[in-house]
Amino acid sequence: KQEVTQIPAALSVPEGENLVLNCSFTDSAIYNLQWFRQDPGKGLTSLLLIQSSQREQTSGRLNASLDKSSGRSTLYIAASQPGDSATYLCAVLSDRGSTLGRLYFGRGTQLTVWP
Amino acid sequence: KAGVTQTPRYLIKTRGQQVTLSCSPISGHRSVSWYQQTPGQGLQFLFEYFSETQRNKGNFPGRFSGRQFSNSRSEMNVSTLELGDSALYLCASSLVYGTTLTEAFFGQGTRLTVV
Repeated sequence: KQEVTQIPAALSVPEGENLVLNCSFTDSAIYNLQWFRQDPGKGLTSLLLIQSSQREQTSGRLNASLDKSSGRSTLYIAASQPGDSATYLCAVLSDRGSTLGRLYFGRGTQLTVWP
Repeated sequence: KAGVTQTPRYLIKTRGQQVTLSCSPISGHRSVSWYQQTPGQGLQFLFEYFSETQRNKGNFPGRFSGRQFSNSRSEMNVSTLELGDSALYLCASSLVYGTTLTEAFFGQGTRLTVV
């Protein structure tokens, strides 16, 4: 069964720092990996999608990497801002026939960026 | 381009009642998935529909059911509500190429409170 783990569970940093959020998964049979952002009481906002054949994706100050063979992904946030404060979730899309189309989520990293 | 729309945003129900939640996917997206989010369990997969067919179901009791209409809109129903069903219910829509799902986009969710 796919298990997704995110480290750290919480992070509190001053504005301007460069951050690294980690995600690991146990089953390498994935179609893709997505990073989401969730603000309190809200839905999920997609940040980056990495296909299983890709190694990296970038969007503005965000960069995500994927090492499928080792079951790891990293989300790098450059020059953090208070507006980045949110919970960041990692999810993998299963490639297994019995669970095709199912997203498996980590528990998230709760990020606080203070001015 | 309109995003994923979930209605209603908030619901309060009493134990034993039933409830129906609605999800309208992004135009052109034919895959709709449902997830339950609670503080204790995180995000858990309920089911996924494609072309009016349930392709996958998570580990939830039969009280949880869903359906998809020909216009791809989806509904989920929970019967005989229990206190533990209180949660944020999230719907996601995706494009489908062959058997491959692409990026998942989520709605704002329906907050269900069972009293």
